[in-house]
Amino acid sequence: DTGVSQDPRHKITKRGQNVTFRCDPISEHNRLYWYRQTLGQGPEFLTYFQNEAQLEKSRLLSDRFSAERPKGSFSTLEIQRTEQGDSAMYLCASSPNYGYTFGSGTRLTVV
Amino acid sequence: GENVEQHPSTLSVQEGDSAVIKCTYSDSASNYFPWYKQELGKGPQLIIDIRSNVGEKKDQRIAVTLNKTAKHFSLHITETQPEDSAVYFCAAITNTGNQFYFGTGTSLTVIP
Repeated sequence: DTGVSQDPRHKITKRGQNVTFRCDPISEHNRLYWYRQTLGQGPEFLTYFQNEAQLEKSRLLSDRFSAERPKGSFSTLEIQRTEQGDSAMYLCASSPNYGYTFGSGTRLTVV
Repeated sequence: GENVEQHPSTLSVQEGDSAVIKCTYSDSASNYFPWYKQELGKGPQLIIDIRSNVGEKKDQRIAVTLNKTAKHFSLHITETQPEDSAVYFCAAITNTGNQFYFGTGTSLTVIP
């Protein structure tokens, strides 16, 4: 296992379109997290899964955002009706307990 | 919630010198403090961490110190090398929390 994989690495979309990102965590990690990072800032928490259960969601996760982790394996993050303010790096991380391993992120640009 | 502040925002050092980055936190229940290094176009990578029952931890050229009373912790990099140039983030989490709270990052430049 080479780590946390995220796909795509880059996504450019027009405002109003829907986008979906995928994260494949390290296989033995039961915890999975999504964070958002804007330029010059640290990552901000979006949501957390333990196995297939979504246990916590941030206020940042508006109703246009939805995340799933079917069968407790990979996870998807969907953004509907994208806005320019959604432009950011979306980071996925997995963990067995403490200590995240981050993926390389998906950079979203909304034009 | 937790508030983590990080200083300085930028730091330039000569190769071979030491670099120190400082963070403060607000929640006394925080008990785990990792440091991440992020290179351009990559996700953050864990470089060292410390738990609240320990005051200092070292790993080769990198060390972290924690002062629970003052609620601050610091990253120390000795004998800096050009490949240490990156953005460094501190973070904090409580033992009942599910999310890390990150600082705003320090852009470190090591000048050859």
